[in-house]
Amino acid sequence: GAVVSQHPSWVICKSGTSVKIECRSLDFQATTMFWYRQFPKQSLMLMATSNEGSKATYEQGVEKDKFLINHASLTLSTLTVTSAHPEDSSFYICSAPTHGYTFGSGTRLTVV
Amino acid sequence: AQSVTQPDIHITVSEGASLELRCNYSYGATPYLFWYVQSPGQGLQLLLKYFSGDTLVQGIKGFEAEFKRSQSSFNLRKPSVHWSDAAEYFCAVNNNNDMRFGAGTRLTVKP
Repeated sequence: GAVVSQHPSWVICKSGTSVKIECRSLDFQATTMFWYRQFPKQSLMLMATSNEGSKATYEQGVEKDKFLINHASLTLSTLTVTSAHPEDSSFYICSAPTHGYTFGSGTRLTVV
Repeated sequence: AQSVTQPDIHITVSEGASLELRCNYSYGATPYLFWYVQSPGQGLQLLLKYFSGDTLVQGIKGFEAEFKRSQSSFNLRKPSVHWSDAAEYFCAVNNNNDMRFGAGTRLTVKP
């Protein structure tokens, strides 16, 4: 079946630094990747949609300059949290719209 | 407004008992419907999905769900719950590539 590999699984970074999260489609081509954020004990909130070869589409209220999304190829989409602050600490998950939407395993980001 | 509602935030059942998790949606047309399970610190795993056809859908791990158009519902069921089923369950609805998730239902399984 379709697999989306997400790395890293967890990361701790200092305030003010940037963190990159990668999602790769291992056995299929993903022209689209969805990026979600999940707060503890809450549901998933769509942040943005990345599309290979074009600019990402951001949901209302999501800062484009803070959450940089790049869809470099048909198998790789990245989310970079720039100038991270403690309030950016969260669980980030990517998903490709294939086979009923295939999710990565998530990245736990902690900003200290 | 389009929405997905999971009325039960937390459900506790005894191991071996039956389970039903509720999901209601509010959309103009029949969307695609999904159920996912999430273990702590993990991504989401697809249990089953409904696109069209037979309204009773079989999924993995012994789960099934029934689409009821008249009630705008897509409830998840399992006849006999195992301790390993303890997790968070999300109902999701996709309408024209717009994927929305319910708030989730946390399932606790008592020995």
